[in-house]
Amino acid sequence: DGGITQSPKYLFRKEGQNVTLSCEQNLNHDAMYWYRQDPGQGLRLIYYSQIVNDFQKGDIAEGYSVSREKKESFPLTVTSAQKNPTAFYLCASSNPGLAGGPYADTQYFGPGTRLTVL
Amino acid sequence: GDSVTQMEGPVTLSEEAFLTINCTYTATGYPSLFWYVQYPGEGLQLLLKATKADDKGSNKGFEATYRKETTSFHLEKGSVQVSDSAVYFCALSVDPPSTGNQFYFGTGTSLTVIP
Repeated sequence: DGGITQSPKYLFRKEGQNVTLSCEQNLNHDAMYWYRQDPGQGLRLIYYSQIVNDFQKGDIAEGYSVSREKKESFPLTVTSAQKNPTAFYLCASSNPGLAGGPYADTQYFGPGTRLTVL
Repeated sequence: GDSVTQMEGPVTLSEEAFLTINCTYTATGYPSLFWYVQYPGEGLQLLLKATKADDKGSNKGFEATYRKETTSFHLEKGSVQVSDSAVYFCALSVDPPSTGNQFYFGTGTSLTVIP
């Protein structure tokens, strides 16, 4: 089955520790994204990558880092510099499509990782 | 810039009631429009999409029509069920994007359907 996997589903860490969230996709998508979602809130973009070995900051990149060494993988590290890291983290991927055509970009999401910092 | 404005929630309906969730957009390129659904503790699932003006997306009894003249993509369902209780997100994809990122999401509308 093609899709996006995120692991683990629940993650607990002590304050001050770095933690890395995994995101893997077998959809052969070029672009991958990380979002943060707080309770009752919408999605906020952390980082995105449109191609291997390249990535850009989103709206709330401070305290986070990413790498894109392989097309199928886009891990997110939550560093100790992130002041309020407890949240639900969502990974997504997409592929370019013709404007207005049937293959227009669609983002597909993983199941999410809930990070709790104690 | 590009953006999506979505109806504030929460929305509470009785089973079999009619649902409308409003969504309007601003886009500088050629937008495609989407509705996603999120069930508690899960990721977002694509519900429906429309890629050009006057297209109607539909799935599981939900419908939305891409209205370029009113820049809207309102979600409707004729008869909601308890199982439709979830958070619904309107989203926009722009090609070419005015910035590097091409996806924009609304803030989400929480729907609760009571028996």
